[in-house]
Amino acid sequence: AQSVTQLGSHVSVSEGALVLLRCNYSSSVPPYLFWYVQYPNQGLQLLLKYTSAATLVKGINGFEAEFKKSETSFHLTKPSAHMSDAAEYFCAVSEDAGGTSYGKLTFGQGTILTVHP
Amino acid sequence: DADVTQTPRNRITKTGKRIMLECSQTKGHDRMYWYRQDPGLGLRLIYYSFDVKDINKGEISDGYSVSRQAQAKFSLSLESAIPNQTALYFCATSADRPSNNEQFFGPGTRLTVL
Repeated sequence: AQSVTQLGSHVSVSEGALVLLRCNYSSSVPPYLFWYVQYPNQGLQLLLKYTSAATLVKGINGFEAEFKKSETSFHLTKPSAHMSDAAEYFCAVSEDAGGTSYGKLTFGQGTILTVHP
Repeated sequence: DADVTQTPRNRITKTGKRIMLECSQTKGHDRMYWYRQDPGLGLRLIYYSFDVKDINKGEISDGYSVSRQAQAKFSLSLESAIPNQTALYFCATSADRPSNNEQFFGPGTRLTVL
């Protein structure tokens, strides 16, 4: 069974500072990994995804994430935070193992990012 | 126009009432999903459908039922609503291939059960 753990339900940074949101996963087969962002009163929007090509994945709005198999991690980073980055971020895993889990996403608990002026 | 729409966007109801949440999509996707979001718990899968004739329970299906009326429509029903079903509900869709495809989410329905 697959699972996702996001370390830290709230992260607070200053504008211009590094953003680091942590995600660890467990999966019995090579996973597909995703980061989604949810702005207030909106649905989820894909930031980026890892699909077994390059381990460093670049997404929208200057975000990137690195897949580290040995650490079972997929942390999300952005070099310089902007006020508009304030939102809730979700890490998710999907398995391509066939069977009943095929194509389903399992989400982490979410991390709320606050950006201070 | 939005690709995935949900109606209503907000609903307040009373314990014991039957409620239906509707989802429509114009993306032409075969797969549709219903999730609920609770603070600190992320999104949890209620039901999913890989095509009109294929409906499956997710991890928290008790107290819910669904209907896939057409490729573009997937409804979620609460037969007898209870207060712990108060949550934000999302519908999502995805293409059948490739298997690493993303899910596209609707704007959500905020349901309050009194």
